[in-house]
Amino acid sequence: GAVVSQHPSRVICKSGTSVKIECRSLDFQATTMFWYRQFPKQSLMLMATSNEGSKATYEQGVEKDKFLINHASLTLSTLTVTSAHPEDSSFYICSAVTLSGVVNIQYFGAGTRLSVL
Amino acid sequence: DAKTTQPPSMDCAEGRAANLPCNHSTISGNEYVYWYRQIHSQGPQYIIHGLKNNETNEMASLIITEDRKSSTLILPHATLRDTAVYYCIVRLLPYAGGTSYGKLTFGQGTILTVHP
Repeated sequence: GAVVSQHPSRVICKSGTSVKIECRSLDFQATTMFWYRQFPKQSLMLMATSNEGSKATYEQGVEKDKFLINHASLTLSTLTVTSAHPEDSSFYICSAVTLSGVVNIQYFGAGTRLSVL
Repeated sequence: DAKTTQPPSMDCAEGRAANLPCNHSTISGNEYVYWYRQIHSQGPQYIIHGLKNNETNEMASLIITEDRKSSTLILPHATLRDTAVYYCIVRLLPYAGGTSYGKLTFGQGTILTVHP
């Protein structure tokens, strides 16, 4: 399957600082990438859809000014958590879409565990 | 997208087949069934997808009933490394070639525990 790389895998930061997470599709180009968040013992929740060359689309309840998404190329999307607070501590996962025949498949990164102190 | 129902947990002995059911009784004709799994503290892993025919790949087999209201994911020889949360997701096929790629909505899935 296609490979999606996510970096860093783990980050610990102080409250009030900003954290950038990178998501790269290594062997394919992805017009669309997605960003998810997962709290302990819960399922994945979609945060936003990242489209190359245009503004991201955010799910209801997700603050676009707090979670900045930049999809500057067909292989890279970044999520920046601005002014992070302890309640932003979570597991952040990205995915990238590629076509398999006429069906699109989402491949996921390994995730980034963010801990805000 | 159609809602899916999965048992919250299942057990399986190592080396035996694991059969994970999924109910999607409200599925429409142009919706695909996708299966993903998530091993603890990792991102989800794509397993297989299907429309109406049974499918098999190197990881698993997908059996879809004739009325498409339910499906079963089969891991033919489960190993300890197959212990994970398995998600069955039904999603509309977006316009191929367009940019309206559909979202995946994850439910609670089935926690499969493979024991020695």
